[in-house]
Amino acid sequence: DAMVIQNPRYQVTQFGKPVTLSCSQTLNHNVMYWYQQKSSQAPKLLFHYYDKDFNNEADTPDNFQSRRPNTSFCFLDIRSPGLGDAAMYLCATSRGGLAGPRGFFGPGTRLTVL
Amino acid sequence: GESVGLHLPTLSVQEGDNSIINCAYSNSASDYFIWYKQESGKGPQFIIDIRSNMDKRQGQRVTVLLNKTVKHLSLQIAATQPGDSAVYFCAETRMSGGGADGLTFGKGTHLIIQP
Repeated sequence: DAMVIQNPRYQVTQFGKPVTLSCSQTLNHNVMYWYQQKSSQAPKLLFHYYDKDFNNEADTPDNFQSRRPNTSFCFLDIRSPGLGDAAMYLCATSRGGLAGPRGFFGPGTRLTVL
Repeated sequence: GESVGLHLPTLSVQEGDNSIINCAYSNSASDYFIWYKQESGKGPQFIIDIRSNMDKRQGQRVTVLLNKTVKHLSLQIAATQPGDSAVYFCAETRMSGGGADGLTFGKGTHLIIQP
């Protein structure tokens, strides 16, 4: 089945130690998104790629970066995680264009910062 | 900034009854709205969407209503089942961003099904 895959599902890191979260998709969608969801809150968009074009949200901290080496993969890099970065990180995809921004979400990676 | 919000954080209904989850949005430029269901520990799952040129759309056991005059969105779930227990989010975006703009989510309503 076509899907959005996130690895790992659970990630533990230490305060200030860089961490990378991975997302892959078999949907062949043009757009890939990263959302941050803190406990009992709604997902919040961090940034997205439309093909190779990167679009950062204005309030996304510089500590968060992303890479998309090809259509299928997208990475979220957190350069120096703080305690406030503990959250569920959700990857999503959409076809874009006239098909619209309906998002297909992965299962998420839960990040713990010690 | 503009946001999407929900009226009630928790909704408790009897199994078999109909559920109505409400959402208010404030961005008048939004022209595409989606309802998602999120179960504990999982990613949001698409339920139904509606574009601003429509006021009603029906799916299997679900109906979304859009009232642009008062900027209100609702999700109706017919004959609620135990498997409907989850947090429901409304989300809004614009099609004008090349169909790729990300979603702005409301706060979420926790739907609890009573046996």
